[in-house]
Amino acid sequence: SQQGEEDPQALSIQEGENATMNCSYKTSINNLQWYRQNSGRGLVHLILIRSNEREKHSGRLRVTLDTSKKSSSLLITASRAADTASYFCATLNQGGKLIFGQGTELSVKP
Amino acid sequence: SAVISQKPSRDICQRGTSLTIQCQVDSQVTMMFWYRQQPGQSLTLIATANQGSEATYESGFVIDKFPISRPNLTFSTLTVSNMSPEDSSIYLCSDDTDYGYTFGSGTRLTVV
Repeated sequence: SQQGEEDPQALSIQEGENATMNCSYKTSINNLQWYRQNSGRGLVHLILIRSNEREKHSGRLRVTLDTSKKSSSLLITASRAADTASYFCATLNQGGKLIFGQGTELSVKP
Repeated sequence: SAVISQKPSRDICQRGTSLTIQCQVDSQVTMMFWYRQQPGQSLTLIATANQGSEATYESGFVIDKFPISRPNLTFSTLTVSNMSPEDSSIYLCSDDTDYGYTFGSGTRLTVV
């Protein structure tokens, strides 16, 4: 079963612009993770933020976590055409299972 | 992080047949997970596979349809049995670490 929702479902931007994707979840979590999937292939782990963290950076990625609102956001700065992919948030629940959101399809136009 | 080799990468199968998907991890991992991704959808957890015990299936998935083996700490298989067109999906295996899950490259299954 899906843990929560992501919005927007699809996002189209120009190269150089920032892309923001949001994720909401329903239950208590140990951590929240973001993944990228190119064209229905395997998933690539991008970043993990623990439940006691509020913000994390990795290169052009910035993730925030608000456990009171049960939400997270992924910001990709200065986007590139190569960032075109589907992005999924996933939460690790107390039972040790990784549950995925619905995903955001990002298109970056050159 | 671990590297997972998954095969086959894709297959086209006849209705009523079975397909076994293999995942090999380059290091020992405690738990492995199998996911299904239906066309245009997100990932849904099928089951959790621990070495030496029966897999634990999520609601909506049963062992007769998706038998799983986990003979050692580096290998697991998922069989999709008695396939129908509704089983056409991408199937992915993964392991867990403290820093995030590693996924195999996926098996794109088409049932005709």
